[in-house]
Amino acid sequence: DGGITQSPKYLFRKEGQNVTLSCEQNLNHDAMYWYRQDPGQGLRLIYYSQIVNDFQKGDIAEGYSVSREKKESFPLTVTSAQKNPTAFYLCASKVAGVETQYFGPGTRLLVL
Amino acid sequence: AQSVAQPEDQVNVAEGNPLTVKCTYSVSGNPYLFWYVQYPNRGLQFLLKYITGDNLVKGSYGFEAEFNKSQTSFHLKKPSALVSDSALYFCVGHGSSNTGKLIFGQGTTLQVKP
Repeated sequence: DGGITQSPKYLFRKEGQNVTLSCEQNLNHDAMYWYRQDPGQGLRLIYYSQIVNDFQKGDIAEGYSVSREKKESFPLTVTSAQKNPTAFYLCASKVAGVETQYFGPGTRLLVL
Repeated sequence: AQSVAQPEDQVNVAEGNPLTVKCTYSVSGNPYLFWYVQYPNRGLQFLLKYITGDNLVKGSYGFEAEFNKSQTSFHLKKPSALVSDSALYFCVGHGSSNTGKLIFGQGTTLQVKP
């Protein structure tokens, strides 16, 4: 997990509330990714960003939003439009041109 | 469609015995393949990768994987399992060289019993 931090470790969301998950990396990596993990399933890509001020939707972007204002930061907002947000959220990053992604420790989002 | 499959939800092995976690792939072009391990409530840790070259890839913690193009497989192996190897293992393919998007298998839980 070293070099990539995610906070908080646990997050509780009330109905109709937007919540933001933090992802920070000090590895000077160019690209950053957000994944969602549900039990019994592999990871699914939500959003990714290859450079600052640019990002693309992944496979399950509906109900989520992101920003990439700084190279080291890629926060994910889970909006009220995401009707089933309970999951484990993982952030990853990598160097441009190198295939290996490195993952943060994850944030578990629960709905009250 | 590109995909990675792990046919076993769970693998059970006794400590000290060899272990194999199976993976098959269907990706376009030259496949880039990875194995990651996840301990409970933790992020994924990189174990090893195959890009090109030798079909036998050695990685962290004594793990290795064999790339077999004719069988489109990339099985993870270890000669002698440890109880501490018990975790969730993901086989991952690289779907696009431009975006870095990964294709994940469903995961296989490895249970090593003393």
